[in-house]
Amino acid sequence: AQKITQTQPGMFVQEKEAVTLDCTYDTSDPSYGLFWYKQPSSGEMIFLIYQGSYDQQNATEGRYSLNFQKARKSANLVISASQLGDSAMYFCAMPGGTSYGKLTFGQGTILTVHP
Amino acid sequence: DAMVIQNPRYQVTQFGKPVTLSCSQTLNHNVMYWYQQKSSQAPKLLFHYYDKDFNNEADTPDNFQSRRPNTSFCFLDIRSPGLGDAAMYLCATSRDWGANQPQHFGDGTRLSIL
Repeated sequence: AQKITQTQPGMFVQEKEAVTLDCTYDTSDPSYGLFWYKQPSSGEMIFLIYQGSYDQQNATEGRYSLNFQKARKSANLVISASQLGDSAMYFCAMPGGTSYGKLTFGQGTILTVHP
Repeated sequence: DAMVIQNPRYQVTQFGKPVTLSCSQTLNHNVMYWYQQKSSQAPKLLFHYYDKDFNNEADTPDNFQSRRPNTSFCFLDIRSPGLGDAAMYLCATSRDWGANQPQHFGDGTRLSIL
């Protein structure tokens, strides 16, 4: 079974600074991927970034990048130049296992950006 | 520009009174999902449709049903809501069923039970 662990219940960052949100995973699938989603207080889940296990380079989408370290089974999200609008809950999620497209979510990390 | 639209944003119903939540999509995606998310928790998959094929999660209560009359629309029916069913309900779509398919979520419907 897939397992996703986010060990930081809450993180604080100063506006314009970078922040890293941790995610570790466990899977027996030889091929897998990791997603990151952002959920503001209004409730919608926003897809941020994806990386597959066979991708050679770390994924980047604008200010978001994935620090993917397969040997350590970690897929940390790095947000550069934090903005006040980045304050939200962030979920790491992994598909696959016995139900191929089903997402297993981590517990989430609440990020607060201070001005 | 909204691609996955959920109505209503907020729904209040009475204990035991059936309620239907709706979801529509303009992405023409094959797969539609319904998640339940309780406060401070991760979303929990209830079921999904691949086209017309319905797939129920093993631990989804019988109280929850779903319909997908066409590609664009999917409904969540709660036959006899209990207090424990108060939650955010999220609809999502993906182009296909696969490990590299991002799911695109709607804004959610927040359900309250009186």
